[in-house]
Amino acid sequence: GAGVSQSPSNKVTEKGKDVELRCDPISGHTALYWYRQSLGQGLEFLIYFQGNSAPDKSGLPSDRFSAERTGGSVSTLTIQRTQQEDSAVYLCASSSWTSDYNEQFFGPGTRLTVL
Amino acid sequence: QKEVEQDPGPLSVPEGAIVSLNCTYSNSAFQYFMWYRQYSRKGPELLMYTYSSGNKEDGRFTAQVDKSSKYISLFIRDSQPSDSATYLCAMGHMDTGRRALTFGSGTRLQVQP
Repeated sequence: GAGVSQSPSNKVTEKGKDVELRCDPISGHTALYWYRQSLGQGLEFLIYFQGNSAPDKSGLPSDRFSAERTGGSVSTLTIQRTQQEDSAVYLCASSSWTSDYNEQFFGPGTRLTVL
Repeated sequence: QKEVEQDPGPLSVPEGAIVSLNCTYSNSAFQYFMWYRQYSRKGPELLMYTYSSGNKEDGRFTAQVDKSSKYISLFIRDSQPSDSATYLCAMGHMDTGRRALTFGSGTRLQVQP
């Protein structure tokens, strides 16, 4: 079946511009996560959506970052007034709550470069 | 100090070698432990998971957890060039309010043919 998809795969933008990154989770998965992967830094948790509950935004690094999830499916991560330190790979993952160990299925990521 | 520490490598080994990858962690509340494999320009994919201390084997891969030392390992036997990837350890809580995983920084492995 279809996995997690993300678009665009690459995004180059100028400092100060806004960007939107999209994630299509696996159908039926109620949980959706955004992570950021910088070189040598591993995966940094950004935000977590679970069903209709309020999202866990505890990992968002600043108020320039926001995310929404419409209809319990597609999610958009928005970065306003991008800075060079925002350059990273942004990964989306989804999971089902049927497993105790929370296997997360990842998309291929969006590689963001801020010039 | 990071909650999860992992040597970034790179680790270069000849084909057929036994590979040992390790992570240490500081938060004793973690309840399950996972290893993800990430090929270049791809998202991570789950390789193995375990809840308890001890060993878990799956083919050429063995995951080992020592909760008393807060130390986990992944062993790869008879390593192949196709094993060349970045390996990320990850840890989580079963508490439904904290479902995000905490990842190590990843170890890059290169298996030379």
